[in-house]
Amino acid sequence: AQSVTQLDSQVPVFEEAPVELRCNYSSSVSVYLFWYVQYPNQGLQLLLKYLSGSTLVKGINGFEAEFNKSQTSFHLRKPSVHISDTAEYFCAVDGSNYKLTFGKGTLLTVNP
Amino acid sequence: NAGVTQTPKFQVLKTGQSMTLQCAQDMNHNSMYWYRQDPGMGLRLIYYSASEGTTDKGEVPNGYNVSRLNKREFSLRLESAAPSQTSVYFCASMKTSGSYEQYFGPGTRLTVT
Repeated sequence: AQSVTQLDSQVPVFEEAPVELRCNYSSSVSVYLFWYVQYPNQGLQLLLKYLSGSTLVKGINGFEAEFNKSQTSFHLRKPSVHISDTAEYFCAVDGSNYKLTFGKGTLLTVNP
Repeated sequence: NAGVTQTPKFQVLKTGQSMTLQCAQDMNHNSMYWYRQDPGMGLRLIYYSASEGTTDKGEVPNGYNVSRLNKREFSLRLESAAPSQTSVYFCASMKTSGSYEQYFGPGTRLTVT
């Protein structure tokens, strides 16, 4: 079984500031890792994923994440956020069984 | 390509009523999923279907049943709705080879009074 912990439930930042959303996971098997974004009143869409290979993964909208196996982390970063990045972000893990386990989400609020 | 579609978008039920949430995908995906989303809880898997003709329980299956009608359609049924089932329900689908990306529908907001 696997679990995901998103360390911050809310992250407020000012526009053009950098941001990091933290995610730790636990699993007894190799995992695939994902970040999804949910804009208000919408479904989820994939930001980026780590399946194998390079531990630095780039996604859509300028986001990137780094897989750290020793620290069991997959933190999401963006060097300069926009108002339009205001959304809820979910970290998820797939323990190679095609089922996702989600964290509880981090609400990113970008203020002008 | 419509992707994943869900009906209805909104529904209000009284305790004890039944209803079926419909989900369809046009991407020829093998796997389909039903999640519920509650504030501060993230998404929790209710049921999933790895392929046509198979279904399995997820994390929170109690009070729900599912039917994988064909490769495109996966429905979720509440036989006797309870207030604890007030939630937003999302359907998702995935190809299960290569990408591991799940595609989500727009959700159904269900209120049980």
